[in-house]
Amino acid sequence: NAGVTQTPKFRVLKTGQSMTLLCAQDMNHEYMYWYRQDPGMGLRLIHYSVGEGTTAKGEVPDGYNVSRLKKQNFLLGLESAAPSQTSVYFCASRPTGMGATEAFFGQGTRLTVV
Amino acid sequence: AQSVTQLGSHVSVSEGALVLLRCNYSSSVPPYLFWYVQYPNQGLQLLLKYTSAATLVKGINGFEAEFKKSETSFHLTKPSAHMSDAAEYFCAVSPQGGYQKVTFGTGTKLQVIP
Repeated sequence: NAGVTQTPKFRVLKTGQSMTLLCAQDMNHEYMYWYRQDPGMGLRLIHYSVGEGTTAKGEVPDGYNVSRLKKQNFLLGLESAAPSQTSVYFCASRPTGMGATEAFFGQGTRLTVV
Repeated sequence: AQSVTQLGSHVSVSEGALVLLRCNYSSSVPPYLFWYVQYPNQGLQLLLKYTSAATLVKGINGFEAEFKKSETSFHLTKPSAHMSDAAEYFCAVSPQGGYQKVTFGTGTKLQVIP
């Protein structure tokens, strides 16, 4: 079982460059999320999606865009990278349901902006 | 609004000693609560979750947590620490019902001393 797969695992960007992070899940989950993890700050939600074709802003959306054209994929874009976007990015997916459903995480993408 | 506070960004215990990681939550509606563990250079994985079925929740690897509404707490415990428990632990909260947006705490790094 692949679960949640993030591509790439590592990337170094120069300030002003653009890139797209890909998240793919094979569990048919409706909800998908992008978080960034920084030391001492835990995980902060960037954007999320409650279904194919939908996206919404989280708590730190500035400088990022997302798309969910297919249910299994959730893309995170950086149009003009800044050093403040140096972080570890995690994608997660989660099924719907009335119970407490757990989130499944990818392995992370370590991004450095120089 | 919902939030979690994890007391202590770093906790050190001796191998074989009790592990206690603290989490207090704030939620305007009855919450679901989660503990996740993150090993170095990996994504997060679920340890246990509270869904209101029982206040004492048992998870994987010998961990358990007790939901105390009067104290708005969901502390994580393990009777005897093992070297393999060294990791970062995150408490998370999600409101019951509707779209379940998950909010994470800032994390506690557990060091186990031989």
